[in-house]
Amino acid sequence: QSVLTQPPSVSGAPGQRVTISCTGSSSNIGAGYDVHWYQQLPGTAPNLLIYNNINRPSGVPDRFSGSKSGTSASLAITGLQAEDEADYYCQSYDSSLSGSGVFGGGTKLTVL
Amino acid sequence: QVTLRESGPALVKPTQTLTLTCTFSGFSLTTSGMCVSWIRQPPGKALEWLARIDWDDDKYYSTSLKTRLTISKDTSKNQVVLTMANMDPVDTATYYCARSLGTTPYDFWGQGTLVTVSS
Repeated sequence: QSVLTQPPSVSGAPGQRVTISCTGSSSNIGAGYDVHWYQQLPGTAPNLLIYNNINRPSGVPDRFSGSKSGTSASLAITGLQAEDEADYYCQSYDSSLSGSGVFGGGTKLTVL
Repeated sequence: QVTLRESGPALVKPTQTLTLTCTFSGFSLTTSGMCVSWIRQPPGKALEWLARIDWDDDKYYSTSLKTRLTISKDTSKNQVVLTMANMDPVDTATYYCARSLGTTPYDFWGQGTLVTVSS
């Protein structure tokens, strides 16, 4: 069981908007720790997509956006493209697990 | 530029100890705040954080695995080593090392190394 909860799968047609939720608790997201999002294409290492809740690293399209509220965070992808089909993971830290980065269970995005 | 590369055996037997090495370049683990973590991913499953070592030699371990894990660094060689004792088939996974600055995100990852545990 992952410390952060994500839906196992989401899907959308090209051009549509999808969101992926990440639900934590008062010891991680709710404690004020930032949330980061990673995209993992098949057979590759995760790649940082959103950091500190809302920021995009250089090179990440502005179709990707993040938000955080309370004990949850969300990743939104607009204008879906076939190349967005991947696994997405949220990550934060947890005060009850000293030094531990905690991950969500991952969400498989399928572009229909 | 920043790179990390994992190395180690592709196959280990149950009960053996696994030793993995992360060799990095483009940054120094003597820089204040710098950290290297190990993260693993069983086939078809989620990412799981294992351990972290900081620039000042502070070490942190997964609470569920800490009795089996040891992390260390050799700053002269730009390497971080993870050992995991008493390997079991459920430990079959791709093992990644990744860089962060404290609780900041893992901004650079190695390509991962697949370790299979089987007799």
